[in-house]
Amino acid sequence: NAGVTQTPKFRVLKTGQSMTLLCAQDMNHEYMYWYRQDPGMGLRLIHYSVGEGTTAKGEVPDGYNVSRLKKQNFLLGLESAAPSQTSVYFCASRTPRTSGKNTGELFFGEGSRLTVL
Amino acid sequence: EDQVTQSPEALRLQEGESSSLNCSYTVSGLRGLFWYRQDPGKGPEFLFTLYSAGEEKEKERLKATLTKKESFLHITAPKPEDSATYLCAVITSSTLGRLYFGRGTQLTVWP
Repeated sequence: NAGVTQTPKFRVLKTGQSMTLLCAQDMNHEYMYWYRQDPGMGLRLIHYSVGEGTTAKGEVPDGYNVSRLKKQNFLLGLESAAPSQTSVYFCASRTPRTSGKNTGELFFGEGSRLTVL
Repeated sequence: EDQVTQSPEALRLQEGESSSLNCSYTVSGLRGLFWYRQDPGKGPEFLFTLYSAGEEKEKERLKATLTKKESFLHITAPKPEDSATYLCAVITSSTLGRLYFGRGTQLTVWP
């Protein structure tokens, strides 16, 4: 049981290049999330998905696109990378409810460290 | 606008010196408050869920409490292995699909 797996773990891009981060979870969770973490800024939500085929914007969606074609996968794309997108990106998943209550137990991946030069 | 504020930003404790971390929130319709621990280079790890004022949860040296305006994470007799960044997050009635995080408190416990 791998949990949440992110690939790649490290990447260096030049300004203007594109790339895709892949997140895969094997826990059959409905909800999946992409966060970015910057020093002093905490975790900020980029995009999220509440089910296969659905996506929604979070706090900082500009410059990113996402897709959830399969329940277990959530892809984060950067079409034209900018230095401001240098960050650590975390994917997470969860089951929305347990015993009728919202469960906040997110399962996180190990992070993907992206540097844009 | 919903806000989650954690204090202090950083805390240094000597081993055995108990203290508390604070998470204050100004949100409409709180549906849950959550505490996470994050070690350097790792993803956050879930600790506790609190749903209503007066609720308390405990795990080893950690105890989380919730009031109508804030939550405290009490650390009793901490050890160096408790050193980490502690994050709180909320779900509200208007953001049911999303967790919003505070900026965290970086805790260092020295021997």
